[in-house]
Amino acid sequence: GAGVSQSPSNKVTEKGKDVELRCDPISGHTALYWYRQRLGQGLEFLIYFQGNSAPDKSGLPSDRFSAERTGESVSTLTIQRTQQEDSAVYLCASSPSRKNTGELFFGEGSRLTVL
Amino acid sequence: AQSVTQLDSQVPVFEEAPVELRCNYSSSVSVYLFWYVQYPNQGLQLLLKYLSGSTLVKGINGFEAEFNKSQTSFHLRKPSVHISDTAEYFCAVSSIYTDKLIFGTGTRLQVFP
Repeated sequence: GAGVSQSPSNKVTEKGKDVELRCDPISGHTALYWYRQRLGQGLEFLIYFQGNSAPDKSGLPSDRFSAERTGESVSTLTIQRTQQEDSAVYLCASSPSRKNTGELFFGEGSRLTVL
Repeated sequence: AQSVTQLDSQVPVFEEAPVELRCNYSSSVSVYLFWYVQYPNQGLQLLLKYLSGSTLVKGINGFEAEFNKSQTSFHLRKPSVHISDTAEYFCAVSSIYTDKLIFGTGTRLQVFP
């Protein structure tokens, strides 16, 4: 597609369940980022990939959170044993190479609600 | 590490009035600075960026920002706002040595007729 695609757009789950959030970056973009946006708050950096390696995982809140990326394509963010505080919009962004353009292209996010 | 502070969570303004959205950053190394905008029910998009060169940068929709290294600020301005400028505005910073982009908490600009 033309832009960054995220799925599902909305996910409601019960506390303790695992969830997977998917991101399809713009074709050819080498860098991929995950952010979390809680209600009324800013964007919280989670992790970014350069190709399929993750130079910076420092933002992952706990070991319940993990992410992987296949080559320079799809990425999956997995949250195990979800908690209510995980409720947020999870945003994915991609970039051809951020240092060149300085621009991230964002998807519309996956809204996660943990009951 | 870098950090960004947006002191104003909300800025109400009347149409055709000027507006300034404040952004201050903290970093021990040189930085790149950005403003992103999120219109209602849309994804974030880049408004403007400072990488190097002139400290006054112009972006889309008539917005501009000025990089002030001594005050560690990157305030966003527009001389005359429109209703359509109603949105959430995010300031962001990264070190010139990494690809990690850190965002502020955002400022909601509400333009009234």
